[in-house]
Amino acid sequence: GQQLNQSPQSMFIQEGEDVSMNCTSSSIFNTWLWYKQEPGEGPVLLIALYKAGELTSNGRLTAQFGITRKDSFLNISASIPSDVGIYFCAGLPSNSNSGYALNFGKGTSLLVTP
Amino acid sequence: DAGVIQSPRHEVTEMGQEVTLRCKPISGHDYLFWYRQTMMRGLELLIYFNNNVPIDDSGMPEDRFSAKMPNASFSTLKIQPSEPRDSAVYFCASSLARGMFGYTFGSGTRLTVV
Repeated sequence: GQQLNQSPQSMFIQEGEDVSMNCTSSSIFNTWLWYKQEPGEGPVLLIALYKAGELTSNGRLTAQFGITRKDSFLNISASIPSDVGIYFCAGLPSNSNSGYALNFGKGTSLLVTP
Repeated sequence: DAGVIQSPRHEVTEMGQEVTLRCKPISGHDYLFWYRQTMMRGLELLIYFNNNVPIDDSGMPEDRFSAKMPNASFSTLKIQPSEPRDSAVYFCASSLARGMFGYTFGSGTRLTVV
């Protein structure tokens, strides 16, 4: 599948700080998704984006579908200790040859200290 | 809904033994995916099914891996013979409609081959 480049690889912040992470691709995507994985569990969907330029919020989380359709951003405002986990971006390529499977980034590991 | 159910949660086996991982997707979901997660490679798609039919198995590492979906409510991933490099967390996920609405992941099976 198409490789997604996710950054940063890890973040270590204090409670109350805002967090930003992003995901880029060399090809165009039709759908962008953001997942969170906690230890011992599978990834859980946080936000789904379907149109270029779309900005969607889920509580303190906000994600955007880049206008080039090759990137997406996730912001977490006023972080709290329970935000700890690995955040994955995932996308559905527009290339019909890529099938119907989501491609995943390698994740951003977030640690929040009280 | 109970979500995607995987069993066992943990499996420790000796090299050369056969391992079978099981998955029950969410009722009504017509796509089922098997992923493998390691620190080095992140989430890798192994195979996916649509309406019980394997669509893309290009991610299956080698002939030692096989997957079946005999009906809409059950799938297996088998490794025979197992090797230490197969140690990973294996996730099953299911979805509607090409994954546009995201996948629902199971809690995973942590496989250790010694």
